[in-house]
Amino acid sequence: AQKVTQAQTEISVVEKEDVTLDCVYETRDTTYYLFWYKQPPSGELVFLIRRNSFDEQNEISGRYSWNFQKSTSSFNFTITASQVVDSAVYFCALSPAPSNTGKLIFGQGTTLQVKP
Amino acid sequence: GAGVSQSPRYKVAKRGQDVALRCDPISGHVSLFWYQQALGQGPEFLTYFQNEAQLDKSGLPSDRFFAERPEGSVSTLKIQRTQQEDSAVYLCASSVNRAYGYTFGSGTRLTVV
Repeated sequence: AQKVTQAQTEISVVEKEDVTLDCVYETRDTTYYLFWYKQPPSGELVFLIRRNSFDEQNEISGRYSWNFQKSTSSFNFTITASQVVDSAVYFCALSPAPSNTGKLIFGQGTTLQVKP
Repeated sequence: GAGVSQSPRYKVAKRGQDVALRCDPISGHVSLFWYQQALGQGPEFLTYFQNEAQLDKSGLPSDRFFAERPEGSVSTLKIQRTQQEDSAVYLCASSVNRAYGYTFGSGTRLTVV
């Protein structure tokens, strides 16, 4: 079975705090892609990062960083020095690479509220 | 256009009514996906097109749901005899190549009353 679990339903932090959003996935495929998307109140899904299963190198982009650990099937997302504009719903997603369609399997999402 | 455009932005339908939701992908994007997002949930895959060919419709919840992309660009998702459980946001995404990621539209919020 292919599944993505985001155990944190809602997180509330005060501006400038660091926050980590957890993502655990299940797949039997050896090749796959993992994604993070941000969904602001306007509704569209904004692409943040794509990682393939053979690249376990952690990535940093400004205040954002991602920790991919294949051994624990986790792909966690950290926001450093959070800002009010980071408030949104964040989704982790899995795309099995052998799939012909490239469809995404999403987690339930984590709602992040950053208070001033 | 610069992004994926979906219309209408909001749709209220009476139970039993047919609805049609439109997706205008980014020009040149070969792949087009439809997802359904219920309130408080993650998006769930409905169907996939590569150009005009519908290669995967495994996520369509019932035979009341039908999608088409006749000329390989604009796509329409049609729901016949709408039911209350069809109330959701319907998201469209397009991609030139899955290796480059997907661009999502803002969605159509369907409310069946």
